[in-house]
Amino acid sequence: TAGITQAPTSQILAAGRSMTLRCTQDMRHNAMYWYRQDLGLGLRLIHYSNTAGTTGKGEVPDGYSVSRANTDDFPLTLASAVPSQTSVYFCASSDLAGGHNEQFFGPGTRLTVL
Amino acid sequence: GQNIDQPTEMTATEGAIVQINCTYQTSGFNGLFWYQQHAGEAPTFLSYNVLDGLEEKGRFSSFLSRSKGYSYLLLKELQMKDSASYLCAVIDSGYALNFGKGTSLLVTP
Repeated sequence: TAGITQAPTSQILAAGRSMTLRCTQDMRHNAMYWYRQDLGLGLRLIHYSNTAGTTGKGEVPDGYSVSRANTDDFPLTLASAVPSQTSVYFCASSDLAGGHNEQFFGPGTRLTVL
Repeated sequence: GQNIDQPTEMTATEGAIVQINCTYQTSGFNGLFWYQQHAGEAPTFLSYNVLDGLEEKGRFSSFLSRSKGYSYLLLKELQMKDSASYLCAVIDSGYALNFGKGTSLLVTP
């Protein structure tokens, strides 16, 4: 199985442009998450979804939006990118009914906003 | 708020034992995770502790003391491939992980 995939692998984006980072999982996990990872700051939660049709804000949600139309997909949209959104973005998923909520991470998207 | 602290960097010798500490102050506690992350790659799960004590898995062990807000990851018989970042993460009252900033471990010959 593929597990959890992200696209694109990397992207250079002009400031002010919009972009959607894609995330798909085939493990039928009910929960999905978006993190950004910056040097010296570690992984920080942007948005999450505990089940299809619901979403919630994490630690750093400003400038980002998400949707969860179905179990498998959890896209992250930057409506108008700014240079401070340059980061590596990781999508993750977990089975909340599975006991200890181990999260599985996708390979990441490296985004540069110029 | 959440406060999860771990050393920024550590260096150890191949074949040795290293202990990476993590202290936390969170509004709730539903478990502590350790993840390994090699440069340019995604984090991968190493261990989970929710009760006090030691969990052993091969060369890696993880310890938790809830009363002290303290955990450590113990790596034995270090190998060069163990050079990576080690991330401590706590689940408080929700489902999301709160990560520390990670400890970069360098294993030298």
